[in-house]
Amino acid sequence: QPVLTQPTSLSASPGASARFTCTLRSGINVGTYRIYWYQQKPGSLPRYLLRYKSDSDKQQGSGVPSRFSGSKDASTNAGLLLISGLQSEDEADYYCAIWYSSTCVFGGGTKLTVL
Amino acid sequence: EVQLAESGGGLVQPGGSLRLSCAASGFTFSDYEMNWVRQAPGKGLEWVSYISSTGSMIYYADSVKGRFTISRDNAKNSLYLQMNSLRAEDTAIYYCARYSVPDYWGQGTLVTVSS
Repeated sequence: QPVLTQPTSLSASPGASARFTCTLRSGINVGTYRIYWYQQKPGSLPRYLLRYKSDSDKQQGSGVPSRFSGSKDASTNAGLLLISGLQSEDEADYYCAIWYSSTCVFGGGTKLTVL
Repeated sequence: EVQLAESGGGLVQPGGSLRLSCAASGFTFSDYEMNWVRQAPGKGLEWVSYISSTGSMIYYADSVKGRFTISRDNAKNSLYLQMNSLRAEDTAIYYCARYSVPDYWGQGTLVTVSS
């Protein structure tokens, strides 16, 4: 079972909100980790969006709008990326990552379609 | 402004070697951990290797352990990746990235392993 699991795809309408999940493998407690989120558009390098561990330990990436935010769902052991007021330009792949056992681990990515 | 510029990619035959370089600017390079991350065509992000700010701690993904060597020269603000015994599955864009879980990425350099 992978360390981080992300749904392969997500669809949402312009102006709506999108909720991305990044589920940690059983036995790895989401409360312990900073969850990092990236956006990657076709043909471009990944862009760091934010990191979230708790409301007192979080960071927004440089120039990233406040409509991108992080959270956690302890009940499902998942990190969350929330995008409000979806725009067509938000259509991209989204990856989560953590520092785990002396390695940087990425999730498989979620492709967001805005339609 | 943080800038990371990779070079050294290209076409190489299976079993061959390449050395990637990353020139860093816009921040105090010697203060930061660095990583190499790769992305195969049409695939997700895969962490390759990590080096601490002083070079005293180094980690590798299992897929490259024993074949790749990461190093840095803080006097030259440069990061390197020596890649030996290259395989077709090493074909990817290789990104230089700052920090243990990256906050800045270079544009990447394409490595193609093919006969």
